[in-house]
Order: sequence, then C-alpha cells, then structure tokens
Amino acid sequence: GQQVMQIPQYQHVQEGEDFTTYCNSSTTLSNIQWYKQRPGGHPVFLIQLVKSGEVKKQKRLTFQFGEAKKNSSLHITATQTTDVGTYFCAQNSGGSNYKLTFGKGTLLTVNP
Amino acid sequence: GAGVSQTPSNKVTEKGKYVELRCDPISGHTALYWYRQSLGQGPEFLIYFQGTGAADDSGLPNDRFFAVRPEGSVSTLKIQRTERGDSAVYLCASSLTGTTSYEQYFGPGTRLTVT
Repeated sequence: GQQVMQIPQYQHVQEGEDFTTYCNSSTTLSNIQWYKQRPGGHPVFLIQLVKSGEVKKQKRLTFQFGEAKKNSSLHITATQTTDVGTYFCAQNSGGSNYKLTFGKGTLLTVNP
Repeated sequence: GAGVSQTPSNKVTEKGKYVELRCDPISGHTALYWYRQSLGQGPEFLIYFQGTGAADDSGLPNDRFFAVRPEGSVSTLKIQRTERGDSAVYLCASSLTGTTSYEQYFGPGTRLTVT
C-alpha cells in the first residue's frame, strides 16, 4: 500500500540550531498533513499542504510541498526546547479524504 | 471548548479478557476515527465513522476488534479475547467531516496493557 517514508528517524540538536525533517512518497500525494506529538502526548495537527510547490510558515516553522507532490519537508529555524517531540507527516490513503497513513516520524530532541 | 476525551487513560487486563475503550469526540464533529499506536511508530488507522455508521473498518486487525457509535457521538472500541500483541496506545480522533480532508483532533489515548 501507499507509504510515506520519513527521514531522519532521530535528530538531536543544540538549542538555536536549525532542524529539518523530510517526507517522501513513491506516488503522487493529494495532500499532506503534519502533526507534532510531544513525549507522552497525543498527535496535534500543525498544517495541511495541498498545492504543488506550496510553502507555508508558522512562526519558526516552514512547511514545503514538492512540485511533483511526492515529497514534503518541515524546517524549524533556531530550535527551542519547546520544539521537542516527534514530527509526523501523514497522507490521505486509499483514495479517501479521511484515511490517514502516518510516517514513522522524526523524534527531535533539543539540548538546552 | 472541550477536546476529544478518552476513558480510561490506562487499562491493564489479562490475556483472554474483554475490554471496552470509550471516546467522546468534539461536539459537532461527524467524523470519528480510531488509531492504534505502538512504541516508536506512527498512529495506525483502524476504523472511521461518518455519523453512526462505520464507513471504513479496513484497519481492524481481525474479528476480535469491533467498534460502535450508536448515536453518532460517543464511540466504543471493543476488543474480545485480548492478546499480548494488542498492547498499545489506542487513539481516538474526530474531525468536522470525513468527506473533505480536514485536520483531525486527537484525544489523549488509552494505554492498553495485556499481561
């Protein structure tokens, strides 16, 4: 079935450094969603990207959707300890608008 | 407003027992989802309700798993003859509707441990 591959699996940074996680698919995606899960918490929606080449920003977070709609990235500028958590990309799968298939996530840890 | 709530937060049960996990979605959300999350993995889709009906139960691993949403609001995930491999965090989510791709709001989850 459809799968999104996320890299890296883990990333440890010093506070203030930048961080990027990538999501890749072998098939064209209708859209992609990003979620953040704090340690011990539940996934929290961050953003949805729909258009080819779309770029969206939320403060220090920049989300991109590739031109071919097969990949996406999340970039955090100047990480803070509050950024700690696992970042998941998720795609609608099975031709549906509701069924999400999640990547394995990237666990970000930040050293203060 | 209130988010998605799930009870219990933790459930420990013996192998072979029956368990029920409850989800109370955000008021007004017609779409409700159940996911299962194992350690180090992303949430795995189990079942989707649009209103009272299970529109897609393709993610349920086998016939020991069943879910209902009789009045289109609260949902219960039922697991019969639990096995140790069922141990995981069971997440419930809801969204405004499932007919358009909307953000899903997740509950805090129920951590199920089968001993």
